[in-house]
Amino acid sequence: QSALTQPPSASGSPGQSVTISCTGTSSDVGSYNYVSWYQQHPGKAPKLMIYEVNKRPSGVPDRFSGSKSGNTASLTVSGLQTEDEADYFCSSYAGSDIYVFGTGTKINVL
Amino acid sequence: QVQLVQSGAEVRNPGASVKVSCKASGYIFTNYGINWVRQAPGQGLEWMGWVSPQTGKRNYAQRDQGRVIMTTDRSTSTVYMELRSLRSDDTAVYYCARDRVGHIRSDSSDIWGQGTMVTVSS
Repeated sequence: QSALTQPPSASGSPGQSVTISCTGTSSDVGSYNYVSWYQQHPGKAPKLMIYEVNKRPSGVPDRFSGSKSGNTASLTVSGLQTEDEADYFCSSYAGSDIYVFGTGTKINVL
Repeated sequence: QVQLVQSGAEVRNPGASVKVSCKASGYIFTNYGINWVRQAPGQGLEWMGWVSPQTGKRNYAQRDQGRVIMTTDRSTSTVYMELRSLRSDDTAVYYCARDRVGHIRSDSSDIWGQGTMVTVSS
């Protein structure tokens, strides 16, 4: 199972919006509404930000939103804040009880 | 509070085995599955497998098939991940992570351990 493809980096100024993509195939992202997004600060464990494509766990700001079209899922961070600077990883169910992560995107807040 | 606490860093020679523990607290241990995720230095996350403390059912990513064993101990609310025949490219931080939803195989993980660094070097 190959990793989902994400851009290495994305940037935005405080207050702006940034959207990052997560491209899979018809066997994973395209077939299931089980896409999740995780935020990871350096040296820390990942934190769940979005599940089931567009749902936010309790405590996650509504500045974070998710969507999906075909084989590509997206995470949008609106109203960027300095603490949003981190690595972001997508994840998708790939059938047969298998999950796959994305390659990761570093969001830089300029 | 709900938490997963992992065992400490390990150093192993190539060809050896390592067993990492993940102790759960603050919730009913058997209600939630546990995933194991690996992250090599400077690299992305890699899903390794999942185990159900309730049923003992396991499934593993293809890459580690035959080398990894995930087990549970209900008496101590602990999950273990043993990796055998270690190679230098197994050097990574290993995380355990709890299924977000109980009683079913969940799509995501909401509680993560602090990570365990495993270094494979001669």
